[in-house]
This record gives sequence, C-alpha cells and structure tokens, in this order.
Amino acid sequence: EAGVVQSPRYKIIEKKQPVAFWCNPISGHNTLYWYLQNLGQGPELLIRYENEEAVDDSQLPKDRFSAERLKGVDSTLKIQPAELGDSAVYLCASSLSDNEQFFGPGTRLTVL
Amino acid sequence: QKEVEQDPGPLSVPEGAIVSLNCTYSNSAFQYFMWYRQYSRKGPELLMYTYSSGNKEDGRFTAQVDKSSKYISLFIRDSQPSDSATYLCAMKDPGNTPLVFGKGTRLSVIA
Repeated sequence: EAGVVQSPRYKIIEKKQPVAFWCNPISGHNTLYWYLQNLGQGPELLIRYENEEAVDDSQLPKDRFSAERLKGVDSTLKIQPAELGDSAVYLCASSLSDNEQFFGPGTRLTVL
Repeated sequence: QKEVEQDPGPLSVPEGAIVSLNCTYSNSAFQYFMWYRQYSRKGPELLMYTYSSGNKEDGRFTAQVDKSSKYISLFIRDSQPSDSATYLCAMKDPGNTPLVFGKGTRLSVIA
C-alpha cells in the first residue's frame, strides 16, 4: 500500500513569492491534515479536513495561508506571500481514525 | 507550561543498551498516546499507539502510560544503530481536538 505522497520535497523561494504544496493521502483515508514542523520542534496542526470540509483551521494564518481539498482526496496548501519565518517543513498526514495518523515525507521550504 | 514536555536530548547510547524515552503532560483529558519515530529529512512514522493506562509491547519496543502521574515512556531494548532517530511523543483527548506533540528526543545509538 502506498503511503502519503507529497511534492515537492524541497522548495527554495524568495520572500514575498507564492508557493504551493501538494499532498495525496493514503487511499480510503477520509481525514487529511497539514502540519508545520519547525527545526527541533514537534509538528503543529495547521488544518484538518474531513473529506472536502475543513473542520479545524483555527491555527492556519488565514491572511497568507490557504488550503483546499477538492473531491475529498488530494489537497493543496498555499502561502502567498511567503515570509522568512515560513521556512519550515510542511507535513501532510492522513487517517481513517483520528487517533492513528500516517505522515508523508514533508516539503522542506526555505524562504530567502 | 506546555501541554506536553519532552527532553530534546540529544541522547547517545552504545549499541545493545536499553533506552528510556519519556514525556510528561498536563492535560488529564488525554486518553490516546502515541510514539512516532522520525529519521532525518523524513516524516514521522507511527511506532506505538496505546489507549489509556498500561503497557504495550511490540518486539524490542515497550510503551508505558501512567495516567496518575501524567507520564509516558518508550523503552527500546537491545538498541541498534538503525534506531538512531528523533522520537516524538503525541497525545490527544477523546474529543474533536488536535494531536499534541512533544518536541522530540534525538537518539544516537553508537556501534
């Protein structure tokens, strides 16, 4: 069974540029999560989807971040415009039950 | 005080040693407890999952939950160089709330 797929794996952009990350969850997993992981820290939830619906986006900085999950499968997370402090690893995870989440390899973003 | 506290290490042990990794937490509503292993430049991988108190064993790994002390542990027996990674504890309550992670402990097993 294929795991959670994310792309790109690495992205380097200049500040104020837009950037987008893509996630394909494990087949059949209705719940999808986007996490932010800073160096030396644990992942922090940005947004959680149940199928197409965003059920928890309280930690998503909505002035510059947006996400979508069309058709309840793949998801895209966008930052526009990016700031220096956005440099981090963006992790996607999916689950059948909320208590066992499976993570992708992450996208490492560097903002210059 | 953060909800979940975890010593970031680094922790360095010789091959074959028994490793003890720990987290403390403050939210008595937490009922689900997990340990994730994260290799460098990879995503976290679920290692152990326990509900409420007690022990759970899987091969060389044992997870313990002591809810009275708000303390969870992961033991690794006969540690191997391939166990070198960052170990993250994570937990949540039964409600519609997010998983809360510790900062992770970086472990090095030296051959």
